[in-house]
Amino acid sequence: TQLLEQSPQFLSIQEGENLTVYCNSSSVFSSLQWYRQEPGEGPVLLVTVVTGGEVKKLKRLTFQFGDARKDSSLHITAAQPGDTGLYLCAGFRSGSARQLTFGSGTQLTVLP
Amino acid sequence: NAGVTQTPKFQVLKTGQSMTLQCAQDMNHEYMSWYRQDPGMGLRLIHYSVGAGITDQGEVPNGYNVSRSTTEDFPLRLLSAAPSQTSVYFCASSDWTGVGNTIYFGEGSWLTVV
Repeated sequence: TQLLEQSPQFLSIQEGENLTVYCNSSSVFSSLQWYRQEPGEGPVLLVTVVTGGEVKKLKRLTFQFGDARKDSSLHITAAQPGDTGLYLCAGFRSGSARQLTFGSGTQLTVLP
Repeated sequence: NAGVTQTPKFQVLKTGQSMTLQCAQDMNHEYMSWYRQDPGMGLRLIHYSVGAGITDQGEVPNGYNVSRSTTEDFPLRLLSAAPSQTSVYFCASSDWTGVGNTIYFGEGSWLTVV
C-alpha cells in the first residue's frame, strides 16, 4: 500500500482543458512537494507547500495543501501539450524529516 | 552546471553479478540519497546519507549497500544482482536547510538483471 495515493494514474485530455490531480494519505506530512518528470530524466521540483490550507500558483498550475496536511492537489488550467509528463507528489512525513516519500505518479498526456 | 551525475546510464547484469552505480554531486550538499523507480510505484528510497561517514536505510534497502567517504560521492553497490533489482535508479542530493528542501535528481541509471 502506497503511503501517498495519487489519482488518477493516467489522464489524457485535449489542449485547453482543465484538470486536477490528487494526492492523498492517512498520514500527516510536514510538507508536500510536486515534481514533474519527463522520459529519460530525473524528477524536477515544481513546488513545496508547507502550511495546512496553503495555496501556491505557478503560472497555470495551482497547488493546494489540505488543512490537515494529509492531502494535496494540483490543478492545471488550460492545459498545453508542453504540460505532458509524469507528475509526482512527495512528502516529508512528520517525524521522518529526512525521508521523502513519493506517490505512484500521474501520467498526463495533453493532445494538441 | 554538472549538478548530480550518475554513471553508467545503462547496464545489463547477469543474476549473481555485482556492480556499483556511481553518483557524484558538485553542489557541496550534505544530503544524498538513492531511489529506485518501478512502473506504477513512484520512487522508493533505498538508502540515504546526511553527511560523509553517515548512512541510513530507506524503505527498500535489502540487496543494496552504500558508503559515503566524501561529501561529493555516494556509490550504490549491488553485491549479487537479482532480476527483482531491474529498475531505474536515481541519485539525489540536497543542502537540507530545513522543511521543504529542494532535492536535485540525477538523470537516472537503467539497470536490467537477466
